[in-house]
Amino acid sequence: DADVTQTPRNRITKTGKRIMLECSQTKGHDRMYWYRQDPGLGLRLIYYSFDVKDINKGEISDGYSVSRQAQAKFSLSLESAIPNQTALYFCATSDLPREDYNEQFFGPGTRLTVL
Amino acid sequence: AQKVTQAQTEISVVEKEDVTLDCVYETRDTTYYLFWYKQPPSGELVFLIRRNSFDEQNEISGRYSWNFQKSTSSFNFTITASQVVDSAVYFCALSEADNAGNMLTFGGGTRLMVKP
Repeated sequence: DADVTQTPRNRITKTGKRIMLECSQTKGHDRMYWYRQDPGLGLRLIYYSFDVKDINKGEISDGYSVSRQAQAKFSLSLESAIPNQTALYFCATSDLPREDYNEQFFGPGTRLTVL
Repeated sequence: AQKVTQAQTEISVVEKEDVTLDCVYETRDTTYYLFWYKQPPSGELVFLIRRNSFDEQNEISGRYSWNFQKSTSSFNFTITASQVVDSAVYFCALSEADNAGNMLTFGGGTRLMVKP
């Protein structure tokens, strides 16, 4: 089974709808991240969480909100979806930093289309 | 602020050709980490390599090699004898050591098309 899972994998919705993307992990990591990927822009950080009570905005948080329901679950919500939120969304996890960099482990991605 | 630039948006080669993907980065930190990821058509991100700023040795892994040069702030990726299965989008990324959240800054990606 995959260590980081995302649901749904694909979603088509309409402008103005509320959408939730979910991420679950079995790696036991404290840190979780949400990125979006747009052509030519690479991945950009939306939100990140160090633990259940610690949520932080990333580079492009406007129009998004998140919920860390448990150590293993981190959800991304679009309260009122708009077409320019059409993108590929990735969840990632990492362990607490030790002496060296702690690698981020990515989920398979959710492709969201807003019509 | 940290920044990663991949100036080549698309590269097309014929199978068995060698190809180099360029990556130039900006950072004020003396300690940082550089990465390459592969994104095949299926969409997932595949980790290829991590390099820390104190290790400038070039690395070779099969047909893949990486050239890290701090003097030019570059971390280029070469595929030797390219194959059709190498067709993908490749991302270079950077993380500064004093970045408490381990956040990654990605370049825009280079789409590599290898034709038979």
